[in-house]
Amino acid sequence: GNSVTQMEGPVTLSEEAFLTINCTYTATGYPSLFWYVQYPGEGLQLLLKATKADDKGSNKGFEATYRKETTSFHLEKGSVQVSDSAVYFCALGTDSWGKLQFGAGTQVVVTP
Amino acid sequence: DTGVSQDPRHKITKRGQNVTFRCDPISEHNRLYWYRQTLGQGPEFLTYFQNEAQLEKSRLLSDRFSAERPKGSFSTLEIQRTEQGDSAMYLCASSPRARSGNTIYFGEGSWLTVV
Repeated sequence: GNSVTQMEGPVTLSEEAFLTINCTYTATGYPSLFWYVQYPGEGLQLLLKATKADDKGSNKGFEATYRKETTSFHLEKGSVQVSDSAVYFCALGTDSWGKLQFGAGTQVVVTP
Repeated sequence: DTGVSQDPRHKITKRGQNVTFRCDPISEHNRLYWYRQTLGQGPEFLTYFQNEAQLEKSRLLSDRFSAERPKGSFSTLEIQRTEQGDSAMYLCASSPRARSGNTIYFGEGSWLTVV
């Protein structure tokens, strides 16, 4: 079946450090891939997405490239801020109904 | 664009009681989804609707759970005879079309605590 695996958190960084969150997936067919972010006490917000192999999604300084050969969609940001502290979820969508399957989430804590 | 709205945001109930959550999707979206999220985990799919038709239900949705979307507008999720294991955040989401590449927009969630 389909699955998403994310690196475990928490990931603790200093402000302006480089962030990488690993995400790998298992899926049949050609999934779309997403990164969502969840701030404390809030729902999920779409951060970026990629719908086919080699696509790069980007938003707010975050980037992720859809790598079909390694079945990965790692999230990166070159210089994090305290406001980036949140839980980040990798997700895949495989069916025509738009249903998403999520990873367990990775908590990121950025300290001043 | 007022976003996906959920009500109530927080609910504390005693075990055995019934609870109902309401979701108002973004107005032009005909797809509506319910997910459940427990602490430290990612959201798990429960069910979805296209307009008023409920098209898929997860096996997580036991017979104590029922979801409706009358007239294809707002949706309700009812949990009967609540159990402590039902404590979670219930997330509603909507999307404009039935394609996996389209963005799904989430509400802020309804927290349920069963005591």
